Amino acid sequence: NAGVTQTPKFRVLKTGQSMTLLCAQDMNHEYMYWYRQDPGMGLRLIHYSVGEGTTAKGEVPDGYNVSRLKKQNFLLGLESAAPSQTSVYFCASSHWDRAGGSSEQYFGPGTRLTVT
Amino acid sequence: AQSVTQPDIHITVSEGASLELRCNYSYGATPYLFWYVQSPGQGLQLLLKYFSGDTLVQGIKGFEAEFKRSQSSFNLRKPSVHWSDAAEYFCAVGAGYSSASKIIFGSGTRLSIRP
Repeated sequence: NAGVTQTPKFRVLKTGQSMTLLCAQDMNHEYMYWYRQDPGMGLRLIHYSVGEGTTAKGEVPDGYNVSRLKKQNFLLGLESAAPSQTSVYFCASSHWDRAGGSSEQYFGPGTRLTVT
Repeated sequence: AQSVTQPDIHITVSEGASLELRCNYSYGATPYLFWYVQSPGQGLQLLLKYFSGDTLVQGIKGFEAEFKRSQSSFNLRKPSVHWSDAAEYFCAVGAGYSSASKIIFGSGTRLSIRP
């Protein structure tokens, strides 16, 4: 199993450009998440999904959109990139555990995005 | 709403010394608690988790953590650190499916190892 994979690994955008980050998981997990990681701020949740065709806002959703058309994929879009979106983006997935709700999250390797 | 505090931004310990990383959480009910480790340029890897039961939890790589409800703490420990333990460590708290399975992460503690 590849686990959680992210594409691309690195990207440089100019202000105003758009792009889509792809996350794929092969563990048949119901839940998927997008985070951004900035120095000294830990991970902040951007959007998440509790199943195919559903998405919800996290802590810092502004400037981002997401889609989950297939259970194994979760896309993060930036319609008009801004320098404030320079960050490392992590995707994660988890399954539903009857005892504890969501299980632990499994993370991808990250995408380093720079907006100039 | 739940929250997590890791009061130590950066800790340096000597190789072979013991380690304790602090984590305090805020949550009204029984929390689900996690410790993750992140090596430079890598994603996060789960070290251990607490959902219920025994309050002393064993994890991978020789780490353990103890849940203390009275202190709202979930500190991570290791009796003897190795140079390969140098990384960033994140404590996290989850509220289970009632809050759509969201997990809140602390801001992290960077661990350096002195030879």
